[in-house]
Amino acid sequence: SQQGEEDPQALSIQEGENATMNCSYKTSINNLQWYRQNSGRGLVHLILIRSNEREKHSGRLRVTLDTSKKSSSLLITASRAADTASYFCATDNSGGSNYKLTFGKGTLLTVNP
Amino acid sequence: NAGVMQNPRHLVRRRGQEARLRCSPVKGHSHVYWYRQLPEEGLKFMVYLQKENIIDESGMPKERFSAEFPKEGPSILRIQQVVRGDSAAYFCASSPVGGWQETQYFGPGTRLLVL
Repeated sequence: SQQGEEDPQALSIQEGENATMNCSYKTSINNLQWYRQNSGRGLVHLILIRSNEREKHSGRLRVTLDTSKKSSSLLITASRAADTASYFCATDNSGGSNYKLTFGKGTLLTVNP
Repeated sequence: NAGVMQNPRHLVRRRGQEARLRCSPVKGHSHVYWYRQLPEEGLKFMVYLQKENIIDESGMPKERFSAEFPKEGPSILRIQQVVRGDSAAYFCASSPVGGWQETQYFGPGTRLLVL
């Protein structure tokens, strides 16, 4: 598997439900970021969590980080149809060129109205 | 405040032609990164530039691809003699300071189609 690998690959839920996406990575990191990409559009930065943080909130978003398991989760609460997008986690590499972000293939989230 | 600007948004080229992609970073940002996204894939790092300097081009193919970030004007990603495999979305990102301390802000991308 590659650095910054998300699962599931696709997730379909009803409006109002919560959506949880997971990300696993391989190397030691300084931080992990989550981005959203609407179909055919650019990436929107959602949240950055540093390696010394375990949990972070931003509005309806909650991100956790477990460096011992090299994994992170993104929880979107009370989902809306407008949340439909692909979600990517991106990691740097604390042991290497830390400006290089490594992205997974993303989780395609569909929120049905 | 304007975010990262990229143009053109869509570019169609025939095999063998040249493609020039432009990126204007967020005002005040002096660090630019280019990434490529193939269909249904994540973004892959290509090159990292500061003003007038290429810091890391390890993700960029050694032939046909070049990048610059001049003192004045936008950053340019240039692809010579394009082939069908170059068809992808190319994203530019910028940050005020390089390294892991700063979030990279992405532009809307240029979607290149090679016929």
